[in-house]
Amino acid sequence: KAGVTQTPRYLIKTRGQQVTLSCSPISGHRSVSWYQQTPGQGLQFLFEYFSETQRNKGNFPGRFSGRQFSNSRSEMNVSTLELGDSALYLCASGPGTSGGDTQYFGPGTRLTVL
Amino acid sequence: AQSVTQLDSHVSVSEGTPVLLRCNYSSSYSPSLFWYVQHPNKGLQLLLKYTSAATLVKGINGFEAEFKKSETSFHLTKPSAHMSDAAEYFCVVSDRRTGTASKLTFGTGTRLQVTL
Repeated sequence: KAGVTQTPRYLIKTRGQQVTLSCSPISGHRSVSWYQQTPGQGLQFLFEYFSETQRNKGNFPGRFSGRQFSNSRSEMNVSTLELGDSALYLCASGPGTSGGDTQYFGPGTRLTVL
Repeated sequence: AQSVTQLDSHVSVSEGTPVLLRCNYSSSYSPSLFWYVQHPNKGLQLLLKYTSAATLVKGINGFEAEFKKSETSFHLTKPSAHMSDAAEYFCVVSDRRTGTASKLTFGTGTRLQVTL
């Protein structure tokens, strides 16, 4: 079974621009979650989508948004980029039946904001 | 509310000696607990998972962890370290009630260094 894939793997943007990251979950998984990893803040939960609906949201500004398509693929968008948005963005997929489900992570997208 | 405390930010062991990475958790509900490993410039790989079936959980690559409710701990161990074990390890907690949203709460990580 193919794992979680994320595209692109690396991105360089400038302040004020916007960016869209993509995540394809493991086949059959209906839940997709996004996490931000930085040296200072560690791994932080952004949001989770299940069956095309945002089911849970972390404590991030509205510049961070996402969506999920009918095939469970998900995109994350960050508008008006700031230097502090530079991070590794990780996507995880799971069955979505409970919070105790195992989450499988993709390789991440490394975003650098200049 | 849930939280995880990894008691050591950095652990250094010699190859062939035991590994102990310590984790304490706090959860308002019955938790699921995980250990994930992250090698440099890589994503997160699941080492092992505790639900409620057994308090001693065996994972991949010889790692295991013991759930101790009375101590709210979930320490990760390995009898003999290998050079390839050098990586960042994360203890993670989530709410395992059926129907709850999937949200993992991560500890701050423990960097394991393995020396010759």
